[in-house]
Amino acid sequence: DTEVTQTPKHLVMGMTNKKSLKCEQHMGHRAMYWYKQKAKKPPELMFVYSYEKLSINESVPSRFSPECPNSSLLNLHLHALQPEDSALYLCASSQARTGELFFGEGSRLTVL
Amino acid sequence: GESVGLHLPTLSVQEGDNSIINCAYSNSASDYFIWYKQESGKGPQFIIDIRSNMDKRQGQRVTVLLNKTVKHLSLQIAATQPGDSAVYFCAETLGGSNYKLTFGKGTLLTVNP
Repeated sequence: DTEVTQTPKHLVMGMTNKKSLKCEQHMGHRAMYWYKQKAKKPPELMFVYSYEKLSINESVPSRFSPECPNSSLLNLHLHALQPEDSALYLCASSQARTGELFFGEGSRLTVL
Repeated sequence: GESVGLHLPTLSVQEGDNSIINCAYSNSASDYFIWYKQESGKGPQFIIDIRSNMDKRQGQRVTVLLNKTVKHLSLQIAATQPGDSAVYFCAETLGGSNYKLTFGKGTLLTVNP
């Protein structure tokens, strides 16, 4: 099993809503990532979890709140988002600091 | 700031031709480079990587070349197929760590049958 599974695939939310994006991997990877990708742009790193602890926060606004409940799961909690937050949110995992990043297919978020 | 960029935003080739996708990087301290392929509606997929102590690495139908003197990276795809149509990103990082990959702008490769 070499998959990173993200749910939901599509999400539409209002600016006052609270929603969550979920990511799961069963490859035994100990590093998990959230990236944001706008249309026709490269992915931009948001957060890195290493061994279930937040390792990197790329100055992401607090309306995005990551959570790593266990080594297989990674969540991204969303609250009071803005229309400019509409994007494809990609989850990835890797063995640790080195090695290939495996990406999920992303959750496409639209904020109205 | 330091960034990774690409010379050509689009590349169109005929099926069976060889493709070359180029990438210029500006951070001379970067020591690990990765090429990713992203098909429409999918997440990036690892193609091949190279460390700064190498200047060439080959995979199946793909070759990555690294020229540290001019800070240039290229991806060569042999006998390009329609399934190779995608956006290709180069990415760089420091210390061999995946933790802070910086992606380049991307090149859209279109393979014409």
